[in-house]
Order: sequence, then C-alpha cells, then structure tokens
Amino acid sequence: AQKITQTQPGMFVQEKEAVTLDCTYDTSDPSYGLFWYKQPSSGEMIFLIYQGSYDQQNATEGRYSLNFQKARKSANLVISASQLGDSAMYFCAMRPNTGGFKTIFGAGTRLFVKA
Amino acid sequence: SAVISQKPSRDICQRGTSLTIQCQVDSQVTMMFWYRQQPGQSLTLIATANQGSEATYESGFVIDKFPISRPNLTFSTLTVSNMSPEDSSIYLCSVQRLTDTQYFGPGTRLTVL
Repeated sequence: AQKITQTQPGMFVQEKEAVTLDCTYDTSDPSYGLFWYKQPSSGEMIFLIYQGSYDQQNATEGRYSLNFQKARKSANLVISASQLGDSAMYFCAMRPNTGGFKTIFGAGTRLFVKA
Repeated sequence: SAVISQKPSRDICQRGTSLTIQCQVDSQVTMMFWYRQQPGQSLTLIATANQGSEATYESGFVIDKFPISRPNLTFSTLTVSNMSPEDSSIYLCSVQRLTDTQYFGPGTRLTVL
C-alpha cells in the first residue's frame, strides 16, 4: 500500500531561521515523484518543489530544498530564512509513475513563523 | 504550469440543494481531478474526470452524489447534490499532464447550513 506520513501536526520557527518539515513515504513502485505543496489560509494549493525518485541531486527552488533520502524513504522539506508569509499548511505528496498516476497526500504540517 | 480557475470561489447553501462547481484550464490537459478537503483535514480524491467518458470515482464517492462532467480537455464541472452540513468543505480541481506536476485551482469553499 502507498502511504505518506507527516508526523508533525504543527511547527514553530523564528523568522529568518531555517525549518525542516518531515515526510516519509511508502511505495513499491520503482518510479515515483515526490512533491510539496503550501496551503495558506485562503485555501489554494501552491506547488513548491518536486523530486523524482531517480534524481541524483536534491531538488532546490529558491528558499525551498528537498532533503531526499531514498533508502530511508524520506523527503523532508527545508525552508531557509523563514518569512512571516511562510505561515501555512504544508503537504507532502507522492505520485507513482505507473498505473493511474494518482497523487496521495500526507496529513499536513501547520507551520507558524514567529516575528 | 497551468492556469486554473474555479467558480464559484465560495458559497453558502441550504441543506437539500445542489451546487455545481466549474473548473476551467488555460490549455488542454489529459487528467483532471476533483478533491474534497474537509475542515482541518488533508485532501481526499473524489474522482478522476475523463474526457468523453464517465468519471472514475474513488471508494466512498458515488456518481449520484457527485456527478461530474468533462465535455472537453479544458473544462470540467462537479456537482454536489442534495447537500448536508457534512458536505461543507473546500472543493479543489486539479490538472496533470501524465508524469508532470499536478496543479490546483484556487478552490471552492462551500458551507452548507
């Protein structure tokens, strides 16, 4: 069975500090994609970063980086230099590249950035 | 990426009525999905909207309650029928091109009284 686990319901970080949001996954598919989305209070889902299962390098997008450890099946999101606008829900997601290409989502982590 | 719009952005409806949510994409896409996000929860896939054929529903969701149309590769509608307060959620349309990233519309925030 495929599963995404986010063990941190809520996280606090001081403005300008870095924070790591944890994500572990389980899949038997050899090829898959890992994603992180941000959901502010407005409700929209904003795509942040993508990591392919065969990618050798960790993905980076501006202040976001994905710490991909394939053997441990983890895909943690690192946000550097936190800003007040980073306060939101963050969802980790996985999509196998076979079958129906359906994405599954974790339960989410709510991040609070303190001034 | 893809630019996705949803209408309405929010609505307050009475119990027993129906609401149709529209999703429009700025370019043709293979896959369109409809999700429900109940308050404080993660996303739950309702169905995959297939162009030219019936939608494929996930376990726990049925066509009578959530009829879906997909008349072309840029447009889809989801109807929430015979609503009850338990249907109060954010409904999200999303699109994906095969192994590409999945992008979401801005969502429709539904409150049922």
